[in-house]
This record gives sequence, structure tokens and C-alpha cells, in this order.
Amino acid sequence: DQQVKQNSPSLSVQEGRISILNCDYTNSMFDYFLWYKKYPAEGPTFLISISSIKDKNEDGRFTVFLNKSAKHLSLHIVPSQPGDSAVYFCAASARFKKLVFGQGTRLTINP
Amino acid sequence: DSGVTQTPKHLITATGQRVTLRCSPRSGDLSVYWYQQSLDQGLQFLIQYYNGEERAKGNILERFSAQQFPDLHSELNLSSLELGDSALYFCASSVGGQGGSSYNEQFFGPGTRLTVL
Repeated sequence: DQQVKQNSPSLSVQEGRISILNCDYTNSMFDYFLWYKKYPAEGPTFLISISSIKDKNEDGRFTVFLNKSAKHLSLHIVPSQPGDSAVYFCAASARFKKLVFGQGTRLTINP
Repeated sequence: DSGVTQTPKHLITATGQRVTLRCSPRSGDLSVYWYQQSLDQGLQFLIQYYNGEERAKGNILERFSAQQFPDLHSELNLSSLELGDSALYFCASSVGGQGGSSYNEQFFGPGTRLTVL
């Protein structure tokens, strides 16, 4: 049972444009959501998070949006840069419970 | 560099064998988490230790076991290895997590790539 789903295995975006990565979840008990970024041969790196009391969190070029009624969150990267090319993992957690990761989306930024 | 170290980087072994993966958390972090990433799969949580004690358990097989030592480093033992155990194994650490919570930001090591032939 995949509680956190990233339905797009890959995404290709032109440099300078907006990248939008999507994530859906099924467990209504999830109340904390994170995005991790992973380069080849490295471990995932924390990028940005949001708790369920918010619907938006921004950090520089990165913004995460949470739609609780739709059980959907998205990560927006504006403007996209070549260094953003990586695999992005969405993750979710319910209070005092384990972190559940999605399968990841491979983002490629084209010059 | 996350500050989390894992050894070895690569491990190639045969079916039926036993291996030990090692993880040193960031200085000051009390929690250690182990994850498995198989081909085209997300990270699957295996187990968490906090200050030497098991705090949360995920989809960890009975053939696998882990422990956290007094110096807070952790080892993941995989035995009776099967072809399907071939994967990337990540260790992560965080400052908190006493209650088995994942609220604390986790810092990941570079992983150990296990290949079972």
C-alpha cells in the first residue's frame, strides 16, 4: 500500500522556467510533509517542509503548497537552474510515526 | 557533506552470506534511521534507534537486524542474503526522535550499495 505517491517518474523543464513536482498521499493522519533532493551517489538532502497547519511554505526559489482536502502537495522551483537536476522525494509523517517516502521524480533542467 | 558517514560504499557478496553495514551519525544526533532503496523504488523505512534503544520499526525482514552502540554508531546486519536484497541502504540521523517521531529533520549518509550475486 503506497501511502505517498509521486506519479511522474520524470520531468523535463527548460532552464529559467518553473518546475512543478507533485505528490499525493492517502493517509489523512499525515500532518508533516517534506521534500528531499538526491544527486547520484549521494544521500537525500532535506529541501523544504510544511506542517498541516499551513498551506504554503517558501524558501528562496522553492515553495511547497499543501492542499489537505485533496491530499496533495506540490513543490515549485522558480526559476529552474541546471543544478536543480536531481531526483526529488516527497515524504510524509504522522505525529510520532515513521517517515513515508514516495518513489521519487527525476527532474532534468535543460539549458 | 551531511556529516553522516556510512561504510562500506560498495559491497558485493553471494546469496546466503551475511554482511554488516555501518553508520556513524552526525555529532550530537541521537537517532539513527535505516532505509532501503531498491531499483525504481522510494526509500523504505527499516528501523530507528534512539540513544541505543529501538524506537520504531518498519518493513524490516526477520533476516535483518540492527543495533546502536554506546558511541551512537549503528550497524545493520543482513543475513541469509537473497538476490532481492540488492539495493542501496541509507542511514540517516537526527537530533531528536525519542518518541519514534520523524518530525526532526533527518540527515542522510551517502549510502551503501549492496549487490548480491
